[in-house]
Amino acid sequence: DAGVTQSPTHLIKTRGQQVTLRCSPKSGHDTVSWYQQALGQGPQFIFQYYEEEERQRGNFPDRFSGHQFPNYSSELNVNALLLGDSALYLCASSLLVGGITDTQYFGPGTRLTVL
Amino acid sequence: AQKITQTQPGMFVQEKEAVTLDCTYDTSDPSYGLFWYKQPSSGEMIFLIYQGSYDQQNATEGRYSLNFQKARKSANLVISASQLGDSAMYFCAMREGKGNYGGSQGNLIFGKGTKLSVKP
Repeated sequence: DAGVTQSPTHLIKTRGQQVTLRCSPKSGHDTVSWYQQALGQGPQFIFQYYEEEERQRGNFPDRFSGHQFPNYSSELNVNALLLGDSALYLCASSLLVGGITDTQYFGPGTRLTVL
Repeated sequence: AQKITQTQPGMFVQEKEAVTLDCTYDTSDPSYGLFWYKQPSSGEMIFLIYQGSYDQQNATEGRYSLNFQKARKSANLVISASQLGDSAMYFCAMREGKGNYGGSQGNLIFGKGTKLSVKP
């Protein structure tokens, strides 16, 4: 049973550039959430996608956008990169049952460095 | 105000001994879920254990148990018989409900974590 996968593993970009991170959910899951984890901190929620729509959003600027595909995989896009966007980006998948987000299972993360 | 507080930045435990990692939470929602995750140096967050706000019994999963004290709003993780492979960051997280409307929020709210080091 394949778990959550993310690509790429590492990424180095320069300020002002744009980046796309990818996530494939655990088999059978229909919901994908994205988190940003700065060094030494707990993860911060960016947004959650269900049925190809953004279901909930955290306190992140519009430079952060996403997409979910019919096969439930998801992308996170960040435009106009800032030095402060350097972080570990974690994708989590889960099932949405009766409006309740079940346990979220995380992927290995993408470490983004902005120079 | 912090919704999840983990007051121990770092903890040491001797191999084969038990250790308790503290977590307190703050919510006015009657329906919520509490989670513990382990994050090794590789970065992946590994789900360990879940406790629902209406669960009568404390959750257990193998060597992990959750000491849930609802009135005190605490959800401490107990790891029995520590192993060298338990050395990692441990995060407590909460999923809030939607008050009287049922369902839940989609996001997990995390604490700042506790770094556990197991000594041989």
